[in-house]
Amino acid sequence: QKEVEQNSGPLSVPEGAIASLNCTYSDRGSQSFFWYRQYSGKSPELIMFIYSNGDKEDGRFTAQLNKASQYVSLLIRDSQPSDSATYLCAVIGTGTQKLVFGQGTRLTINP
Amino acid sequence: KAGVTQTPRYLIKTRGQQVTLSCSPISGHRSVSWYQQTPGQGLQFLFEYFSETQRNKGNFPGRFSGRQFSNSRSEMNVSTLELGDSALYLCASSLVLAGDIAGELFFGEGSRLTVL
Repeated sequence: QKEVEQNSGPLSVPEGAIASLNCTYSDRGSQSFFWYRQYSGKSPELIMFIYSNGDKEDGRFTAQLNKASQYVSLLIRDSQPSDSATYLCAVIGTGTQKLVFGQGTRLTINP
Repeated sequence: KAGVTQTPRYLIKTRGQQVTLSCSPISGHRSVSWYQQTPGQGLQFLFEYFSETQRNKGNFPGRFSGRQFSNSRSEMNVSTLELGDSALYLCASSLVLAGDIAGELFFGEGSRLTVL
C-alpha cells in the first residue's frame, strides 16, 4: 500500500464548475497535510496546508481533512482554465518523519 | 526576494560517470530537501538537511549523497550513474524550525539529468 494515494486522472471539469480532488494516506498518525500544484514543465508550488479536521478555505480553494477516514480533499470552486495542472497531495507521517507526495492528479478545465 | 536557485538546469552524462547538483535556498531558510521526480515514480524524497546536518534520508542507494554548507547552500552527488537515474532533481527550501519537519516547501526549477 502506498503511503499517499491519488487518482492519477486525468480529471476533466468544465469551466466554472467545482473540481474535487481526493487523496488518502496510510499513516493514521499523520498530522500535516499539503496540496501542491504543478504546471507542466514547472516545479511544484504550495497552494494550501491543513492540520485540523474539517474545512479550510482560501479564496476559491477549500481543503477538507477527515483523519478518521484518512482522507484529504481539495475543492476548487469556479474552476478556470488556468487551474489546469497536476495537483499533488503531500503528507507528513509520524513514522516517516518526512514529506511524502502522492503521484498527483492531472486536472483539465475545459472552456 | 530571490527564490530557490538550482544549477545546472540541464545536463547529460553517460553511465558510470558522477554528477554534482547545486542548490541555493531562499535567504533565511535553513532546511533544504532534495526530491527526484520521474513520470513513473512521481516525487521521491532523497534527503533533507538542516543546519549542515542530514535529518532524514529516503530509500535511495548509497550512490546518492548530499551535504549542506554553513551558508545553507546544498549539493547532492550521484556516483556511478545508471540509466534509471535520468530524472528531474528538485531542491526545496523551508523556513522550518529546528524541531519541526519541513512541509511548506519552496521548490527550485530543478536540474534535469539525462544519463546515456
